[in-house]
Amino acid sequence: GAVVSQHPSWVICKSGTSVKIECRSLDFQATTMFWYRQFPKQSLMLMATSNEGSKATYEQGVEKDKFLINHASLTLSTLTVTSAHPEDSSFYICSARGTGANTGELFFGEGSRLTVL
Amino acid sequence: LAKTTQPISMDSYEGQEVNITCSHNNIATNDYITWYQQFPSQGPRFIIQGYKTKVTNEVASLFIPADRKSSTLSLPRVSLSDTAVYYCLVGGIYNQGGKLIFGQGTELSVKP
Repeated sequence: GAVVSQHPSWVICKSGTSVKIECRSLDFQATTMFWYRQFPKQSLMLMATSNEGSKATYEQGVEKDKFLINHASLTLSTLTVTSAHPEDSSFYICSARGTGANTGELFFGEGSRLTVL
Repeated sequence: LAKTTQPISMDSYEGQEVNITCSHNNIATNDYITWYQQFPSQGPRFIIQGYKTKVTNEVASLFIPADRKSSTLSLPRVSLSDTAVYYCLVGGIYNQGGKLIFGQGTELSVKP
């Protein structure tokens, strides 16, 4: 089946620094990718929809200047947490909708755990 | 987007059949029902998807009544490794940008 890969799987950074997380669709082209964040013992919360070649669409309450999303190619979307603070520590998960025979199925990456000190 | 309601948690024993029901009263005509499984510190994994009646694959069955206002995920003969959180999602493939909103999920605990 289709595979979505995230990198890094975990990252620790100091408060005030920026962190970039990559999301790649390995064997299919994804015109649309989605970014979620998940706090411990909670469900996934949709942050934004990433569209190739255009601006991302953010969910209500998500700061677009804080969480920069770039979907520069059909296989890569990046999420940059700018000026990270401890409250940004979370599990970030990307997903991409399949194509062809997998249309309709949403494939998820392995997730990236961010810890801000 | 249709809201989903699931039991917060369920307990079962190895070898039993587990049925998790999800309510989605305001499901739209072009919405599909999809179930995902998530282990700690991992991304969700697709289990099964359906539109109406019954769908079966190698790991689960999905039962959807005619009114489509609920659905039931059936896991036959669960094992300890099926301990996870199960999410029921409702959404269209192409409408609303195809995005899926997660509800609270059901934490399934399988005991020996």
